[in-house]
Amino acid sequence: EIVLMQSPGTLSLSPGERATLSCRASQSISSSDFAWHQQKPGQAPRLLIYDTSSRATGIPDRFSGSGSGTDFTLTISRLEPEDFAVYYCQQYDGSPFTFGQGTRLEIK
Amino acid sequence: QVQLVESGGGLVKPGGSLRLSCAASGFGFSDYYMSWIRQAPGKGLEWVSYIGSFGSSVDYADSVKGRFTISRDNAKKSMYLQMNSLRAEDTAVYYCARGRYSSYWGQGTLVTVSS
Repeated sequence: EIVLMQSPGTLSLSPGERATLSCRASQSISSSDFAWHQQKPGQAPRLLIYDTSSRATGIPDRFSGSGSGTDFTLTISRLEPEDFAVYYCQQYDGSPFTFGQGTRLEIK
Repeated sequence: QVQLVESGGGLVKPGGSLRLSCAASGFGFSDYYMSWIRQAPGKGLEWVSYIGSFGSSVDYADSVKGRFTISRDNAKKSMYLQMNSLRAEDTAVYYCARGRYSSYWGQGTLVTVSS
């Protein structure tokens, strides 16, 4: 099983700042089968990024994904008030598909 | 538009069974893998199971293997999760999601396992 470790656990930033969220896999993900999801309180998660760097439908271009091998990054270029939420990484390269434990992005 | 609607959750005693359903609309259901993902209260996301487009490919998380069975009916545009031998640690909101990377999620159905 591929274990995903997200860092930091909590990130405190202000609107307008740049956010960088990391996810490290326990073994190399041989393809680009990597995604990021956003979850706000009381809501279902929402797909942001798939195939490492492709934005899902309707996702603003301030969200971008990058990475390869074992290290992946979600970058939010300029934080908007609605971006404060919990973010999860996910790999679907090998079964079982797994999620990271989440990064909470909070307003400073 | 794409819609996924889960149903079938509720309160069940340890050792009991439940069957969850996921009704899909707004896309070619038989074109997609489908997944079940759960979230225990206050916790993160845990992938539970997936099923291939025509049901021939399935897999499960170790935590549910041998107890849960995933299935689908493409004619009814529906997916199911039969959950047997339920344990307290199975208490969670269960989401159905489209595709291997969960491009769309339902709103979830709460399963509570308690005596």
